[in-house]
Amino acid sequence: NAGVTQTPKFRILKIGQSMTLQCTQDMNHNYMYWYRQDPGMGLKLIYYSVGAGITDKGEVPNGYNVSRSTTEDFPLRLELAAPSQTSVYFCASSPAPGGRGGAEAFFGQGTRLTVV
Amino acid sequence: EDQVTQSPEALRLQEGESSSLNCSYTVSGLRGLFWYRQDPGKGPEFLFTLYSAGEEKEKERLKATLTKKESFLHITAPKPEDSATYLCAVQAGVATDSWGKLQFGAGTQVVVTP
Repeated sequence: NAGVTQTPKFRILKIGQSMTLQCTQDMNHNYMYWYRQDPGMGLKLIYYSVGAGITDKGEVPNGYNVSRSTTEDFPLRLELAAPSQTSVYFCASSPAPGGRGGAEAFFGQGTRLTVV
Repeated sequence: EDQVTQSPEALRLQEGESSSLNCSYTVSGLRGLFWYRQDPGKGPEFLFTLYSAGEEKEKERLKATLTKKESFLHITAPKPEDSATYLCAVQAGVATDSWGKLQFGAGTQVVVTP
């Protein structure tokens, strides 16, 4: 089972460049998320989506954009990369929360991005 | 403001030396508390979900418990392969489209030596 697949695994960007981090899931999950993880800081939510065509900001959305045209794909766009965006990025998906209200998220392997 | 705090930041154990990790939270409308394991260079891997105070879940040498203000992850007789960072996360909120969002603590890095 593929689960959540992220590409690329590693990337070095120069300041001011742009790129798209790709994320696809094959579990037919409605919910998808983008997190960033900085050393010692835990994971911070960037953007999330509750279904195709619906996206919303998380805790740290500045400098990023997302789109959700299909259930499977949730790309993250970085415009005008800055050193502060150096981080490890994780995409995740989950089913819609059930009757008890919670649903576990499944994570990809991450994209390690360095902006120089 | 919602907060999730994990302690200690790091824990070094001898093989077989049992211990506990703490996750304290202050959120409105808890929907679920989750424990994840993260190995270096990998994404978080789901371990447990707890929904209400008094609930317990077990998996091999790990046992998670939940009270109204905190959760504990007990590691019994750990082995070197239990070395990892353990992350606690909560889902909370009233609006249905916020239920899925996970808010994470900073994690506890556990090292188990032979």
